[in-house]
Amino acid sequence: EVQLVESGGGSVQPGGSLRLSCAASGFTLSRFWMHWVRQVPGEGLVWVSRINSDGRSTDYAESVRGRFTISRDNAKDTVYLQMNSLRGEDTAVYYCARGPAFPWYFDLWGRGTPVTVS
Amino acid sequence: DIQMTQSPSSLSASVGDRVTITCEASQDISHYLNWYQQKPGKAPQLLIYDASTLQTGVPSRFSGGGSGTDFTFTISSLQPEDFATYYCQQCDDLPITFGQGTRLEMK
Repeated sequence: EVQLVESGGGSVQPGGSLRLSCAASGFTLSRFWMHWVRQVPGEGLVWVSRINSDGRSTDYAESVRGRFTISRDNAKDTVYLQMNSLRGEDTAVYYCARGPAFPWYFDLWGRGTPVTVS
Repeated sequence: DIQMTQSPSSLSASVGDRVTITCEASQDISHYLNWYQQKPGKAPQLLIYDASTLQTGVPSRFSGGGSGTDFTFTISSLQPEDFATYYCQQCDDLPITFGQGTRLEMK
């Protein structure tokens, strides 16, 4: 089955760290760019970060730049989001999503993992 | 950042109705506009990309159009499973941005 499964979410105090993982199965991860998108429950979708297919190029939303780091291990079919210096406003459900190199649409999403900073 | 403004923010309709949602970009994004459906507690699902291309497996009652700054998303005949929240998303430039969402409710 083609799917993405996030893990690693949880509760953390402000200033703390978490590392989210996104495990891919049923397709060749190395063919796709990968993204993290977050959503505060009851609110809209916010793009967080992206990484290209070989991991050499990354981009971030201004709100997380310098605190979050996206990476990938294609051999392990896994994408990561290292989140440091967490703030209350980082509380959200975090989704990983895949897409082509361009245009940047998201054709497969995971179920999401909740992060609470409090 | 490119701002995406959807209207309406919420909409009440009945099964069988034709429904249209609009999305306006704060600057020209050509055809780099995508539409998603999200149901409560679920991840979003891609419906349309490149403004008008139907994603594989998505029913033909969904359609999209527009270019530049003004875009539309239409459901030709609402089905019970279509009651959800819909988001537009621009992919012309970073940061990638979404509209605020349109909640489609049953009348």
